[in-house]
Amino acid sequence: KAGVTQTPRYLIKTRGQQVTLSCSPISGHRSVSWYQQTPGQGLQFLFEYFSETQRNKGNFPGRFSGRQFSNSRSEMNVSTLELGDSALYLCASSYFIRTGNKDTQYFGPGTRLTVL
Amino acid sequence: TQLLEQSPQFLSIQEGENLTVYCNSSSVFSSLQWYRQEPGEGPVLLVTVVTGGEVKKLKRLTFQFGDARKDSSLHITAAQPGDTGLYLCAGSYGNKLVFGAGTILRVKS
Repeated sequence: KAGVTQTPRYLIKTRGQQVTLSCSPISGHRSVSWYQQTPGQGLQFLFEYFSETQRNKGNFPGRFSGRQFSNSRSEMNVSTLELGDSALYLCASSYFIRTGNKDTQYFGPGTRLTVL
Repeated sequence: TQLLEQSPQFLSIQEGENLTVYCNSSSVFSSLQWYRQEPGEGPVLLVTVVTGGEVKKLKRLTFQFGDARKDSSLHITAAQPGDTGLYLCAGSYGNKLVFGAGTILRVKS
């Protein structure tokens, strides 16, 4: 079974631009979560989608948004990029939305975003 | 303020040594997971612990969940260079997964 895929793997943008990152979950997985990973802040939760609906959201500004399509693929968008948005953006999928706290999340390799 | 405090932040040891990584919180978690991440890759789940006092073993790795479900530890016996990586603990908290800052482990041969 193919794992979680993320595209692109690397991206360089300049301040003020916007960016869209894509995530394809494992086949059959309906829950997709996005995380931002930086050396200073570690892994921080952005948002989670299940059946095309955002179910949970972290403490990030409105410049960060996402969506999920009917095939469970997800995209996240960051508008008006800032230098501090440089990070590894990770996507994770699981079969069920995490309510019983026992669902394994499978992570993709991430998209390395550099903002100049 | 980190909900999950992980220590140490960095560990550099010789092959064959033992080590323990700690994950502590003032909050109670319904479950706690340990991940390992290698450069350029996403975290890979090692184990999930659910019951207070639970101990799980995965070859040379031993995971323990505190009785009060507020802390956990990862013990590696006879570390090998292949154990090198970033170890992350993550707790299920309010329907979200909260990660610790991670422990960078380097095992020298």
